[in-house]
Amino acid sequence: DQQVKQNSPSLSVQEGRISILNCDYTNSMFDYFLWYKKYPAEGPTFLISISSIKDKNEDGRFTVFLNKSAKHLSLHIVPSQPGDSAVYFCAAGASGGSYIPTFGRGTSLIVHP
Amino acid sequence: DSGVTQTPKHLITATGQRVTLRCSPRSGDLSVYWYQQSLDQGLQFLIQYYNGEERAKGNILERFSAQQFPDLHSELNLSSLELGDSALYFCASSEDRGVYNEQFFGPGTRLTVL
Repeated sequence: DQQVKQNSPSLSVQEGRISILNCDYTNSMFDYFLWYKKYPAEGPTFLISISSIKDKNEDGRFTVFLNKSAKHLSLHIVPSQPGDSAVYFCAAGASGGSYIPTFGRGTSLIVHP
Repeated sequence: DSGVTQTPKHLITATGQRVTLRCSPRSGDLSVYWYQQSLDQGLQFLIQYYNGEERAKGNILERFSAQQFPDLHSELNLSSLELGDSALYFCASSEDRGVYNEQFFGPGTRLTVL
């Protein structure tokens, strides 16, 4: 049973437009959420996080939105650049637990020039 | 460069064999995690070690085992290999400071079982 779901395996966007990657979770104990980015032949790298006490966190072109009632979060990339082409993993964890996040299956983003 | 190193990069072996994957964490990180990524699957957590001791276990098969040595490097041992064990195996390390436990991942070892 997947506790963190990324229902879109892939997303294609034009350079300069907005990329929106979505993630849903089922475990109501999750109270922190992370996004990782992965290029081919490399390990995932941390991108941005958000705590359940917030509904938005911004870092440059990257913004994560959290809707706790819907158990949904999204990552917005504005404007998208070809270098953003990568696999994006959503992860969620419970601070009262082992602090080991549960990862989704990833969404492959392709940004076309 | 995350500071986490993994060897080897690629490993090709036969069913029934045993292999050892090695990981060196970032300098100063006491926690090491092992993950498996199979085709079209997310990162499946296998096991965590903290300062030499097992701290948490995930979906790790009994045929798999790990350890963390006094110098903090870790090894993941996979035995009686099956075709389905073919996957990318990632090691990650962290300071283990609690919430927002940012993990730094190595480049992975690609295991192919023929």
